Amino acid sequence: AQKITQTQPGMFVQEKEAVTLDCTYDTSDPSYGLFWYKQPSSGEMIFLIYQGSYDQQNATEGRYSLNFQKARKSANLVISASQLGDSAMYFCAMRGGHGGATNKLIFGTGTLLAVQP
Amino acid sequence: DVKVTQSSRYLVKRTGEKVFLECVQDMDHENMFWYRQDPGLGLRLIYFSYDVKMKEKGDIPEGYSVSREKKERFSLILESASTNQTSMYLCASSLAAFGGATGELFFGEGSRLTVL
Repeated sequence: AQKITQTQPGMFVQEKEAVTLDCTYDTSDPSYGLFWYKQPSSGEMIFLIYQGSYDQQNATEGRYSLNFQKARKSANLVISASQLGDSAMYFCAMRGGHGGATNKLIFGTGTLLAVQP
Repeated sequence: DVKVTQSSRYLVKRTGEKVFLECVQDMDHENMFWYRQDPGLGLRLIYFSYDVKMKEKGDIPEGYSVSREKKERFSLILESASTNQTSMYLCASSLAAFGGATGELFFGEGSRLTVL
């Protein structure tokens, strides 16, 4: 069975510093995708970044990068130069499986990030 | 702009009532999903559908059913609401993940259901 684990319920970071949010996953499928979403207090789910299991390079999107370590089954999100607006809940998710389930995403329990001025 | 619309932002229902949560997407996406979100538990998949009239159980389907009669609409049904179904319900849609598509989910704004 597929599983996503986020072990950090909450974190603090100082403004302008970098922060790493941890995510480990478990799957037996050779083909899968990993996602990070941000959920601010307004409740909307915002897609941040995607990494495919066959991608050779780590994904980057602006200040977000995904530290993909396939052998360790980890997909940590790194936010550089934190801003006050980065304060939010962050969810790691994985897509994989067979047939129609290939499109199914499962989510971790989330990490609440608080950026301090 | 792509859009996933959930019919109700807030609902209050009584135990035993039948509840319908409606979701419509305007992106011609093949896949649609219903999740519930609870503090400390993240998002848990209730049901998903990868085609019209097709549905698959997620991780927590008990007490729920779904209907997808048209590609753009995916309904979540609580046949007899119970207090433990008080939660935030999120609908999402995605393109089929093949070719260059990542299978990224697009979410609605959520429906907060309270069952008394």
